[in-house]
Amino acid sequence: QQQVKQSPQSLIVQKGGISIINCAYENTAFDYFPWYQQFPGKGPALLIAIRPDVSEKKEGRFTISFNKSAKQFSLHIMDSQPGDSATYFCAATVSGNTPLVFGKGTRLSVIA
Amino acid sequence: GAVVSQHPSRVICKSGTSVKIECRSLDFQATTMFWYRQFPKQSLMLMATSNEGSKATYEQGVEKDKFLINHASLTLSTLTVTSAHPEDSSFYICSARFGVNEQFFGPGTRLTVL
Repeated sequence: QQQVKQSPQSLIVQKGGISIINCAYENTAFDYFPWYQQFPGKGPALLIAIRPDVSEKKEGRFTISFNKSAKQFSLHIMDSQPGDSATYFCAATVSGNTPLVFGKGTRLSVIA
Repeated sequence: GAVVSQHPSRVICKSGTSVKIECRSLDFQATTMFWYRQFPKQSLMLMATSNEGSKATYEQGVEKDKFLINHASLTLSTLTVTSAHPEDSSFYICSARFGVNEQFFGPGTRLTVL
């Protein structure tokens, strides 16, 4: 019930295309869903986050879509660029003093 | 976003020695910090939750006597790997909670035990 399932494991997208990464969760108590971007040898960086009271949040080229009934959320990267090539992790938590539960990550490669 | 630093960024030590890693929240106070371990091409594995002024809460399977965590101030948490062995070689990352939910991560520490 604590798991967050992330797919795909790896993704190759053409420059300018849309990258889509999906996550699903079981624990209905989760109320905060962040996405992190990690480059090799670096710590994860908070990219964008959403709460279940909204269905979509957009920041620049990054959009989170949230489907509460399906218990799914996804990250869309519009106009993908080679610089977006990184590993992306979705996560979820219950507000308060609880740790994040991470997905297994998606390795994105954007090719020119 | 808020800034979290880690020191050192990489360390090489001999088997049997102890290594201390520092995690600092630079521009905010963090009552809660987390320590993770990450193997190549894998997700982050939570090791422990560190609360300022109290004992850390370790995840199942993590030896608290081997991975000593101290959170003595609102801006500093330390992880000491005691009697390190080659199997302890890994990428260690800390994070600090900002506000209710947001967590900001440090840049990580690459530990290599010879």
